[in-house]
Amino acid sequence: EIVMTQSPATLSVSPGERATLSCRASQSVSSSLAWYQQKLGQAPRLLIYGASTRATGIPARFSGSGSETDFTLTISSLQSEDFAIYYCQQYNNWPRTFGQGTKLEIK
Amino acid sequence: EVQLVESGGGLVQPGGSLRLSCAASGFTFSNYGVYWVRQAPGKGLEYVSAITSSGDSTFYANSVKGRFTISRDNLKNTLYLQMGGLTTEDMAVYYCARSGNGYLEYWGQGTLVTVSS
Repeated sequence: EIVMTQSPATLSVSPGERATLSCRASQSVSSSLAWYQQKLGQAPRLLIYGASTRATGIPARFSGSGSETDFTLTISSLQSEDFAIYYCQQYNNWPRTFGQGTKLEIK
Repeated sequence: EVQLVESGGGLVQPGGSLRLSCAASGFTFSNYGVYWVRQAPGKGLEYVSAITSSGDSTFYANSVKGRFTISRDNLKNTLYLQMGGLTTEDMAVYYCARSGNGYLEYWGQGTLVTVSS
């Protein structure tokens, strides 16, 4: 089973600033990596798939990069609605696996 | 509009069984793979099971293999998860999600499964 490790566990950033979230796979997942955003009491929402392709309706301030084992989600200028928990997920191998999440909080 | 609506959650005793359903609408259900993903209270997301568009292939997390069975009825546009041998470790909100080739494009709002005596 591929282990996905996200860092940091919690990230404190001020509105308007840039946030950089990391996700590392225990073995190569090629570009089969997705990012999700989850707000309290809500279902997750797909942000990025294929490591760097924004899902429908996702603002351009969200961008993904990386391949193989190291991936990054960048939010260029944080808006109030962006403070949430972010998860990465690999879909290159079975079983699919998620990272443990990064909580993005207001500084 | 794509909609996924889970049902069937509730309180069950340890060792008991429960069947979850997920009613799909707004898209051609038979064209897509679908997943179950769960989230224990205050915890992260955990993949549970998946099934291909035709239902020919199924996949399970090691933690539920042999206890859970995923199935679908493409005529009824419905996904199922039959759960057995439930323990407190299975207590979670269970989401169904439509797969876009492995990533999860659309999610339901979830149904809560509580395991307690």
